[in-house]
Amino acid sequence: DGGITQSPKYLFRKEGQNVTLSCEQNLNHDAMYWYRQDPGQGLRLIYYSQIVNDFQKGDIAEGYSVSREKKESFPLTVTSAQKNPTAFYLCASSIYATEAFFGQGTRLTVV
Amino acid sequence: KQEVTQIPAALSVPEGENLVLNCSFTDSAIYNLQWFRQDPGKGLTSLLLIQSSQREQTSGRLNASLDKSSGRSTLYIAASQPGDSATYLCAVRPHSGGSYIPTFGRGTSLIVHP
Repeated sequence: DGGITQSPKYLFRKEGQNVTLSCEQNLNHDAMYWYRQDPGQGLRLIYYSQIVNDFQKGDIAEGYSVSREKKESFPLTVTSAQKNPTAFYLCASSIYATEAFFGQGTRLTVV
Repeated sequence: KQEVTQIPAALSVPEGENLVLNCSFTDSAIYNLQWFRQDPGKGLTSLLLIQSSQREQTSGRLNASLDKSSGRSTLYIAASQPGDSATYLCAVRPHSGGSYIPTFGRGTSLIVHP
């Protein structure tokens, strides 16, 4: 089955700790995106990548980092610089500007 | 900057009603518009994609229309069922700028009660 896999489903972070969220797709899509979703708010773009080894900051990139070493993978690291990381994180992919597909999300909680 | 608004924010209806969800956007220079469904605690599921040159798309009981010049799209749900309960989001891709990054509305939370 083709799709986007996010892991883990739930993640807990201690103060001052970096954590990495995984996003893998087998759809052969060039473009991949990371969004953050908070209650009552729309999706906000963190980072996006349109091609391997290239990525761009979105609207709320501070405190986050990404890499795109393989077409299939676009991991997101939430660093200790992100002061309010508790949120639902969504990864998406698409072929250029066509239909976007989403993973099932990772819920990150600070403990 | 593109802004996307969805009205109403929440909707509660009895089973069997026909529904209209609205999505408006401020910049009519769009590449396409996509409707999604999101169940609680889940990711987004794509429902319909309308290209800027199209007027509407249909899938089963769902029909989405696009009026680019007025900056509006509607999602029509026929004969609603309790299983339709979810949040519905629209996303608009710009036609310019090179990145084609979609902008999302905040969604309409729909409850269909038996």
